Amino acid sequence: GAVVSQHPSWVICKSGTSVKIECRSLDFQATTMFWYRQFPKQSLMLMATSNEGSKATYEQGVEKDKFLINHASLTLSTLTVTSAHPEDSSFYICSAPPRTGFGGYTFGSGTRLTVV
Amino acid sequence: AQSVTQPDIHITVSEGASLELRCNYSYGATPYLFWYVQSPGQGLQLLLKYFSGDTLVQGIKGFEAEFKRSQSSFNLRKPSVHWSDAAEYFCAVGDYTGNNRKLIWGLGTSLAVNP
Repeated sequence: GAVVSQHPSWVICKSGTSVKIECRSLDFQATTMFWYRQFPKQSLMLMATSNEGSKATYEQGVEKDKFLINHASLTLSTLTVTSAHPEDSSFYICSAPPRTGFGGYTFGSGTRLTVV
Repeated sequence: AQSVTQPDIHITVSEGASLELRCNYSYGATPYLFWYVQSPGQGLQLLLKYFSGDTLVQGIKGFEAEFKRSQSSFNLRKPSVHWSDAAEYFCAVGDYTGNNRKLIWGLGTSLAVNP
């Protein structure tokens, strides 16, 4: 089945630095990638939708300059947390929707970001 | 607006007991419904989904769910819970918005299993 490989699984960074999270579709082409943020014991919050070859669509309240999303190819979407601060610490998950219909959403394994 | 409600934030059951996790949805058309499980620090795994047809859906790990249109519900059940079922469970409804196919998520139910 379809697999989305997400890296890194966890990362610790200092305040003010930037962190890049990658999601690769391993055996299929993902023209769209959803990026979620999840706080402890809470649900998934959709941050943005990336589309290959075009600008990402951000949800209301998500800072575009803080969370840079790039979908440079059909197999790679990246989320860069710029000038990270402790409040950006969270669990970030990417997900590729099915090519048609609603079956087969594929999720990355998530990235635990801790900003110190 | 589309929404998903999981009324139970946290549930504790004994191992071997039966389980039912509730999910109610609000959606204007025929819903596409999902149950996902998330173990601590892990990504999400699809347990089962309903698109159409038989309203009782069988999933992995011995789970099943029943779609009840009259009650706008899609409750998840398991006849005998195992300790390894302790996890976070999310109900979701698929939403066609524009050209994307988004999932609308419930807040989740945290399941604890007592030995």
